[in-house]
Amino acid sequence: NAGVMQNPRHLVRRRGQEARLRCSPMKGHSHVYWYRQLPEEGLKFMVYLQKENIIDESGMPKERFSAEFPKEGPSILRIQQVVRGDSAAYFCASSPLGQGSYEQYFGPGTRLTVT
Amino acid sequence: KNQVEQSPQSLIILEGKNCTLQCNYTVSPFSNLRWYKQDTGRGPVSLTIMTFSENTKSNGRYTATLDADTKQSSLHITASQLSDSASYICVVFNNAGNMLTFGGGTRLMVKP
Repeated sequence: NAGVMQNPRHLVRRRGQEARLRCSPMKGHSHVYWYRQLPEEGLKFMVYLQKENIIDESGMPKERFSAEFPKEGPSILRIQQVVRGDSAAYFCASSPLGQGSYEQYFGPGTRLTVT
Repeated sequence: KNQVEQSPQSLIILEGKNCTLQCNYTVSPFSNLRWYKQDTGRGPVSLTIMTFSENTKSNGRYTATLDADTKQSSLHITASQLSDSASYICVVFNNAGNMLTFGGGTRLMVKP
């Protein structure tokens, strides 16, 4: 059973470009979470999704950021018109059911560098 | 405001020694508390998850304690190894808001 997979592992974008980060949850998991970790800081919650639904996006910046988890395929975190401050590690986690009592399994992260 | 505070921020110990990391939280209503280990450049990996009724939980050389009355948890590492060098993150789940609140982590370095 493969773990949570994220790609790419490293992504370099110039200011103003778009970044698309992908997350494939563990097999059988229908709940996906995205977190951002700035250099030397802790993880910060961004968004919680189920298949085809956004459950909680309270941690998402209001502009330029969007996330989806379609019926088929990976979850996508999309950042439009990236700025230097978007440089961070973006982690995806998945769980079999809602995040309450269930363990979240993290992927290896995507390190985004904006030049 | 839901908060999770960890101490110390960083810690250096010699291989073979024990250490204890602290976590204080103000999350309410409390549902469960988790400790994760995050190696540099990798995603967090779960060590323990503790509910309200659990005081102690062990995972190999890692032992977590929870005092729900004082809202404190600790992670004790016994006979440290070089591979224990990592960040240790305390995370508390809030039932009402369905939210995880992350602590800032303790960076542990084990030296030979």
